[in-house]
Amino acid sequence: EVQLVESGGGLVQPGRSMKLSCAASGFTFSNYGMAWVRQAPTKGLEWVATISYDGSSTYYRDSVKGRFTISRDNAKSTLYLQMNSLRSEDTATYYCTRASGVDYWGQGVMVTVSS
Amino acid sequence: DVVLTQTPPTLSATIGQSVSISCRSSQSLLHSNGNTYLNWLLQRPGQPPQLLIYLVSRLESGVPNRFSGSGSGTDFTLKISGVEAEDLGVYYCVQSTHAPYTFGAGTKLELK
Repeated sequence: EVQLVESGGGLVQPGRSMKLSCAASGFTFSNYGMAWVRQAPTKGLEWVATISYDGSSTYYRDSVKGRFTISRDNAKSTLYLQMNSLRSEDTATYYCTRASGVDYWGQGVMVTVSS
Repeated sequence: DVVLTQTPPTLSATIGQSVSISCRSSQSLLHSNGNTYLNWLLQRPGQPPQLLIYLVSRLESGVPNRFSGSGSGTDFTLKISGVEAEDLGVYYCVQSTHAPYTFGAGTKLELK
C-alpha cells in the first residue's frame, strides 16, 4: 500500500524557517518525481515545487523561488521542503504527492506563519 | 503559466442526477509525446485530494464508473452519471503537460 506521511509543520513566526518531510512507502520512491502542493485555508490547491526522480531537476512557483528548497533522499525514501523567510501568505496545509500522476497524496501538514 | 478555468464554480444536485464540470485551458495540453496530461481530483471535506481520472479519460483504480472524463486540446469535461452522497466535495482539474503544473479553481458539488 502506497503511503505518504508528512511531518514538520506547526506555528512559526514571519521571517523564520521550517523544514517539512514526507516519508514514502509502498512504492519505489527513486523512480518517481515528487511534488509539494499547498492549500491555504478555504482556498484551492496550489503547486509549490517539483523534483525529478533523481533530484537533478527542480521547479518552483515564482512566489517561493529563492526561499524554498525541495530535496529528496532516495536511500531514505523521503522528500523534503526547506522553507526560509516565511511569510503570512505561506500559511497553508502542505501536501506531498507523486508529481506526474498526482495519484497518491499524504494527509497534509499545517503550516501557520504568524507572530 | 497555463490557466485552467473551471465552470461552474458551484453545482447543486439531487441524488441520482447527472452533472458535468468543464475545464478549459489557456493553451493546448497535448504533450509532444502524444499524451494529454489532464487529471481530475475530488477533495472531500477535511480530506486530501484523491485522483479520479487521469490522462483525460482513464478511470483510476477503485473509482466508480459513474465518473467519466472526456475532451482534447483545451476543452475537457468531467461527468458524474448519477450523483451519490459520497460524491459531494470540491472537484479540481489539474494539468501536468506544461511546467509549472496548475490547478483549476475548483467546482463545489453540493446537495440541492
